[in-house]
Amino acid sequence: EAGVTQSPTHLIKTRGQQATLRCSPISGHTSVYWYQQALGLGLQFLLWYDEGEERNRGNFPPRFSGRQFPNYSSELNVNALELEDSALYLCASSLARGAYNEQFFGPGTRLTVL
Amino acid sequence: RKEVEQDPGPFNVPEGATVAFNCTYSNSASQSFFWYRQDCRKEPKLLMSVYSSGNEDGRFTAQLNRASQYISLLIRDSKLSDSATYLCVVGYSSNTGKLIFGQGTTLQVKP
Repeated sequence: EAGVTQSPTHLIKTRGQQATLRCSPISGHTSVYWYQQALGLGLQFLLWYDEGEERNRGNFPPRFSGRQFPNYSSELNVNALELEDSALYLCASSLARGAYNEQFFGPGTRLTVL
Repeated sequence: RKEVEQDPGPFNVPEGATVAFNCTYSNSASQSFFWYRQDCRKEPKLLMSVYSSGNEDGRFTAQLNRASQYISLLIRDSKLSDSATYLCVVGYSSNTGKLIFGQGTTLQVKP
Protein backbone atom coordinates (compact mmCIF):
# COMPACT_ATOMS: atom_id res chain seq x y z
CA GLU A 1 0.00 0.00 0.00
CA ALA A 2 1.40 3.38 -1.00
CA GLY A 3 1.99 5.84 1.80
CA VAL A 4 1.33 9.57 1.94
CA THR A 5 3.11 11.35 -0.87
CA GLN A 6 4.13 15.00 -1.04
CA SER A 7 5.54 17.23 -3.73
CA PRO A 8 7.86 18.89 -4.31
CA THR A 9 10.58 17.47 -2.06
CA HIS A 10 12.36 20.80 -1.89
CA LEU A 11 11.17 24.29 -2.73
CA ILE A 12 13.21 27.48 -2.78
CA LYS A 13 11.42 30.82 -2.88
CA THR A 14 12.24 34.42 -2.13
CA ARG A 15 10.55 36.63 0.42
CA GLY A 16 7.16 37.89 -0.73
CA GLN A 17 6.54 35.06 -3.19
CA GLN A 18 3.86 32.37 -2.90
CA ALA A 19 4.46 28.66 -2.34
CA THR A 20 2.16 25.75 -3.18
CA LEU A 21 2.73 22.36 -1.58
CA ARG A 22 0.82 19.20 -2.50
CA CYS A 23 -0.16 16.06 -0.65
CA SER A 24 -1.84 12.79 -1.59
CA PRO A 25 -3.19 10.74 1.31
CA ILE A 26 -3.10 6.99 1.74
CA SER A 27 -5.81 5.39 -0.38
CA GLY A 28 -9.06 5.29 1.60
CA HIS A 29 -8.05 8.05 4.01
CA THR A 30 -10.35 11.05 3.98
CA SER A 31 -8.66 13.33 6.51
CA VAL A 32 -5.54 15.31 5.68
CA TYR A 33 -3.50 17.31 8.17
CA TRP A 34 -0.69 19.82 7.65
CA TYR A 35 2.09 20.50 10.16
CA GLN A 36 5.08 22.81 10.18
CA GLN A 37 8.42 21.76 11.67
CA ALA A 38 10.88 24.63 11.82
CA LEU A 39 14.53 23.81 12.49
CA GLY A 40 15.06 22.79 16.08
CA LEU A 41 11.36 23.10 16.90
CA GLY A 42 8.59 20.58 17.36
CA LEU A 43 5.78 19.92 14.94
CA GLN A 44 3.13 22.62 14.96
CA PHE A 45 -0.40 21.89 13.73
CA LEU A 46 -1.40 24.03 10.74
CA LEU A 47 -4.63 22.78 9.15
CA TRP A 48 -7.04 19.86 9.04
CA TYR A 49 -9.22 18.96 6.05
CA ASP A 50 -11.88 16.31 6.01
CA GLU A 51 -14.37 15.53 3.25
CA GLY A 52 -13.33 18.65 1.36
CA GLU A 53 -13.89 21.05 4.25
CA GLU A 54 -11.46 22.89 6.50
CA ARG A 55 -12.25 21.53 9.98
CA ASN A 56 -9.64 23.24 12.14
CA ARG A 57 -6.61 25.47 11.85
CA GLY A 58 -3.70 26.12 14.17
CA ASN A 59 -2.30 29.41 15.36
CA PHE A 60 -0.99 30.58 12.00
CA PRO A 61 -1.79 33.76 10.04
CA PRO A 62 -4.38 33.73 7.22
CA ARG A 63 -1.65 33.75 4.56
CA PHE A 64 -1.42 30.02 5.30
CA SER A 65 -4.36 28.44 3.54
CA GLY A 66 -5.24 25.34 1.63
CA ARG A 67 -7.90 23.12 0.23
CA GLN A 68 -8.86 19.52 -0.21
CA PHE A 69 -9.95 18.14 -3.56
CA PRO A 70 -12.71 15.59 -4.27
CA ASN A 71 -10.08 12.83 -4.49
CA TYR A 72 -8.96 13.82 -0.93
CA SER A 73 -5.60 15.16 -2.05
CA SER A 74 -4.71 18.52 -0.58
CA GLU A 75 -2.81 21.67 -1.30
CA LEU A 76 -1.18 24.08 1.14
CA ASN A 77 -0.62 27.65 -0.03
CA VAL A 78 1.62 30.10 1.73
CA ASN A 79 1.33 33.68 0.50
CA ALA A 80 3.68 36.62 1.06
CA LEU A 81 6.48 34.33 2.20
CA GLU A 82 8.62 35.43 5.11
CA LEU A 83 12.07 34.19 6.08
CA GLU A 84 10.66 32.44 9.17
CA ASP A 85 8.40 30.31 6.96
CA SER A 86 11.48 28.23 6.12
CA ALA A 87 10.65 24.81 7.53
CA LEU A 88 9.75 21.22 6.79
CA TYR A 89 6.04 21.02 5.94
CA LEU A 90 4.56 17.65 6.73
CA CYS A 91 1.27 16.25 5.53
CA ALA A 92 -0.47 13.40 7.34
CA SER A 93 -3.60 11.40 6.65
CA SER A 94 -5.91 9.29 8.75
CA LEU A 95 -8.62 6.77 8.04
CA ALA A 96 -11.36 8.71 9.78
CA ARG A 97 -11.69 12.15 11.22
CA GLY A 98 -10.12 13.51 14.32
CA ALA A 99 -7.32 13.13 16.76
CA TYR A 100 -8.49 9.70 17.97
CA ASN A 101 -7.12 8.25 14.80
CA GLU A 102 -3.54 7.46 14.02
CA GLN A 103 -2.01 9.91 11.58
CA PHE A 104 0.50 8.73 9.00
CA PHE A 105 3.00 11.21 7.65
CA GLY A 106 4.45 11.86 4.24
CA PRO A 107 8.15 12.64 3.68
CA GLY A 108 7.56 16.38 3.75
CA THR A 109 8.40 19.40 1.61
CA ARG A 110 11.40 21.38 2.73
CA LEU A 111 10.67 25.05 2.02
CA THR A 112 13.52 27.52 2.02
CA VAL A 113 12.74 31.24 1.85
CA LEU A 114 15.64 33.47 0.84
CA ARG B 1 4.06 25.37 30.49
CA LYS B 2 4.31 23.25 27.34
CA GLU B 3 1.30 21.07 26.55
CA VAL B 4 3.49 17.98 26.14
CA GLU B 5 6.85 17.83 27.89
CA GLN B 6 9.69 15.40 27.34
CA ASP B 7 13.26 15.21 28.54
CA PRO B 8 15.20 16.10 25.36
CA GLY B 9 18.17 13.92 26.29
CA PRO B 10 20.30 12.82 24.58
CA PHE B 11 20.21 9.35 26.06
CA ASN B 12 23.42 7.53 25.17
CA VAL B 13 23.15 3.80 25.86
CA PRO B 14 25.10 0.68 24.84
CA GLU B 15 23.55 -1.97 22.64
CA GLY B 16 21.42 -4.35 24.63
CA ALA B 17 20.51 -1.80 27.29
CA THR B 18 17.01 -1.06 28.49
CA VAL B 19 16.00 2.59 28.27
CA ALA B 20 12.86 4.41 29.40
CA PHE B 21 11.41 7.68 28.20
CA ASN B 22 8.85 9.71 30.07
CA CYS B 23 6.39 12.34 28.98
CA THR B 24 3.82 14.50 30.76
CA TYR B 25 0.83 16.29 29.27
CA SER B 26 -1.08 19.23 30.67
CA ASN B 27 -4.62 18.80 29.33
CA SER B 28 -6.62 16.32 31.39
CA ALA B 29 -9.18 16.13 28.56
CA SER B 30 -6.64 14.45 26.27
CA GLN B 31 -8.12 11.40 24.60
CA SER B 32 -5.48 9.72 22.48
CA PHE B 33 -1.81 9.05 23.01
CA PHE B 34 0.97 7.93 20.70
CA TRP B 35 4.69 7.45 20.40
CA TYR B 36 6.25 8.38 17.08
CA ARG B 37 9.84 7.91 15.97
CA GLN B 38 11.64 10.50 13.84
CA ASP B 39 14.99 9.93 12.17
CA CYS B 40 17.14 12.94 11.31
CA ARG B 41 15.45 15.14 8.70
CA LYS B 42 12.78 12.52 8.01
CA GLU B 43 9.07 12.33 8.69
CA PRO B 44 7.70 11.01 12.01
CA LYS B 45 6.69 7.35 11.87
CA LEU B 46 4.05 5.93 14.19
CA LEU B 47 5.69 3.57 16.65
CA MET B 48 2.64 2.71 18.72
CA SER B 49 -0.60 3.99 20.12
CA VAL B 50 -0.81 4.01 23.91
CA TYR B 51 -3.83 2.54 25.64
CA SER B 52 -4.98 2.89 29.23
CA SER B 53 -4.22 -0.75 29.93
CA GLY B 54 -0.70 -0.40 28.58
CA ASN B 55 0.51 -2.18 25.50
CA GLU B 56 3.53 -4.00 24.17
CA ASP B 57 4.94 -4.47 20.70
CA GLY B 58 8.02 -6.66 20.66
CA ARG B 59 10.77 -4.86 22.53
CA PHE B 60 8.65 -1.77 23.07
CA THR B 61 6.23 -1.23 25.98
CA ALA B 62 4.07 1.85 26.45
CA GLN B 63 2.22 2.84 29.61
CA LEU B 64 -0.36 5.54 30.30
CA ASN B 65 -1.21 6.97 33.71
CA ARG B 66 -4.21 9.27 33.27
CA ALA B 67 -4.30 10.28 36.92
CA SER B 68 -0.73 11.59 36.76
CA GLN B 69 -1.03 12.67 33.09
CA TYR B 70 2.08 10.68 32.33
CA ILE B 71 3.10 8.46 29.41
CA SER B 72 6.14 6.22 29.21
CA LEU B 73 7.98 4.18 26.60
CA LEU B 74 10.33 1.34 27.51
CA ILE B 75 12.75 -0.09 24.97
CA ARG B 76 14.38 -3.39 25.86
CA ASP B 77 17.50 -4.89 24.26
CA SER B 78 18.37 -1.67 22.41
CA LYS B 79 19.64 -2.00 18.84
CA LEU B 80 21.83 0.41 16.91
CA SER B 81 18.84 0.95 14.62
CA ASP B 82 16.80 2.29 17.55
CA SER B 83 18.88 5.50 17.44
CA ALA B 84 16.37 8.24 16.65
CA THR B 85 14.24 10.93 18.26
CA TYR B 86 11.14 9.64 20.03
CA LEU B 87 8.12 11.93 20.03
CA CYS B 88 5.38 11.80 22.65
CA VAL B 89 2.10 12.82 21.01
CA VAL B 90 -1.30 13.64 22.47
CA GLY B 91 -4.69 14.21 20.83
CA TYR B 92 -7.52 16.12 22.49
CA SER B 93 -10.67 15.06 20.72
CA SER B 94 -12.10 14.00 17.41
CA ASN B 95 -13.39 17.53 16.85
CA THR B 96 -9.99 19.15 16.53
CA GLY B 97 -7.98 16.80 14.36
CA LYS B 98 -4.96 18.25 16.07
CA LEU B 99 -2.10 16.27 17.56
CA ILE B 100 0.19 17.95 20.08
CA PHE B 101 3.80 16.87 19.72
CA GLY B 102 6.43 16.94 22.39
CA GLN B 103 9.87 18.24 21.47
CA GLY B 104 11.22 14.70 21.37
CA THR B 105 13.80 12.65 23.24
CA THR B 106 16.97 11.75 21.38
CA LEU B 107 18.33 8.22 21.77
CA GLN B 108 21.80 7.22 20.64
CA VAL B 109 22.59 3.52 20.89
CA LYS B 110 26.32 2.80 20.74
CA PRO B 111 28.11 -0.46 19.92
